[in-house]
Amino acid sequence: EAQVTQNPRYLITVTGKKLTVTCSQNMNHEYMSWYRQDPGLGLRQIYYSMNVEVTDKGDVPEGYKVSRKEKRNFPLILESPSPNQTSLYFCASGTGGPGELFFGEGSRLTVL
Amino acid sequence: DQQVKQNSPSLSVQEGRISILNCDYTNSMFDYFLWYKKYPAEGPTFLISISSIKDKNEDGRFTVFLNKSAKHLSLHIVPSQPGDSAVYFCAASGESGAGSYQLTFGKGTKLSVIP
Repeated sequence: EAQVTQNPRYLITVTGKKLTVTCSQNMNHEYMSWYRQDPGLGLRQIYYSMNVEVTDKGDVPEGYKVSRKEKRNFPLILESPSPNQTSLYFCASGTGGPGELFFGEGSRLTVL
Repeated sequence: DQQVKQNSPSLSVQEGRISILNCDYTNSMFDYFLWYKKYPAEGPTFLISISSIKDKNEDGRFTVFLNKSAKHLSLHIVPSQPGDSAVYFCAASGESGAGSYQLTFGKGTKLSVIP
């Protein structure tokens, strides 16, 4: 089954404690991206990757890091989380063309 | 500046009637448009799309209309069903300077279909 898998689905942490949200896709997609969804703000892109070892900033990259060492994985790293990073995070993958993206089920992160 | 705008945060429609969700965009370089549907506790799922070379695309109960001169698109759901209750995101795609296509999303419209 074609899917994008994120872990953890839910996480409560404290300010400053480094965390990683993993993302894996099994569709051999070159393009992967991270979004955050906040009330009234819709989906905003954090980082994206066009291929292995190629990453770039989206609209709201501050406080986040990513890496793309393998085609299937695209982890999101919060080196020192802060309360304003409390949000619902979605990973997505696609071919990189104009078509649809496939989204994971989301990771709800709370930073106290 | 918001390039994709969904000006109605919410919409309520009676079951069986037509739901019309609207979306406006400002970037004339966008050439592909998509609608996503999102249920609570799930990721967005692709619903329907339209290329800028067309003005209409239909898939069952769902039809998307594109008016390029007005930079406006709309999603029509006929007839509306309670299971259609969800948040609908409009998205626009255009080639970025890096050579890939980036999706820009609107803020979403929450559709409630009342039985």
